Amino acid sequence: DIQMTQSPSSLSASVGDRVTITCRASQSVGSYLHWYQQKPGKAPNLLIYAASTLQDGVPSRFSGSGSGTDFTLTISSLEPEDFATYYCQQGSGVTFGGGTKVEIK
Amino acid sequence: EVQLVESGGGLVQPGGSLRLPCVASGFTLSSHWMSWVRQAPGGGLEWVAQTKFDGSEEYYVGSVKGRFTISRDNAKNSLYLQMNGLRVEDTAVYYCVRQSTMTRSAFDVWGRGTVVTVSS
Repeated sequence: DIQMTQSPSSLSASVGDRVTITCRASQSVGSYLHWYQQKPGKAPNLLIYAASTLQDGVPSRFSGSGSGTDFTLTISSLEPEDFATYYCQQGSGVTFGGGTKVEIK
Repeated sequence: EVQLVESGGGLVQPGGSLRLPCVASGFTLSSHWMSWVRQAPGGGLEWVAQTKFDGSEEYYVGSVKGRFTISRDNAKNSLYLQMNGLRVEDTAVYYCVRQSTMTRSAFDVWGRGTVVTVSS
């Protein structure tokens, strides 16, 4: 099975900060990499699919990049509603990363 | 409005069974692969099972193979997860999830989830 490793597992940031989360696959997944946001007590929400395509309705401050084994989710300017846990997911088989919790500094 | 609504969760003893229904609305169920994804308390996400749009193919994570069965009834706009031989480690929130038509491996609509607790 392909293992997905996210880093960091948590981070503290302020409103307006640029935030970068990385996801590494144990073997190539091509561009089959997706990102989700989950808030406490809620279901996850798809942000980006196929590594870099923004899901409809997702603000443009979110962006994704990468291919093969190394991927990045970037929030260009953190908003109060962005404090949440973020998961990557590979689509060549289906496994999720362990999550990155973005907390208020 | 596109929506998935799960039900059927509850407290069950180890070795017991539960059946989770999920009702879809606002879209054509037969156009989508569908999955169940679970999340243990305080834990991460784990894909459990998926079924092709016509039910002709099914896939499972190794830990549930032979115990869980995913099925669907497109005429009733419903997806199901039959869980037998439940174990303590199956305790989780179970989400019914739609797979995207843009890229099948992405999960673009999620239900609110139903809680399954396996305990004696």
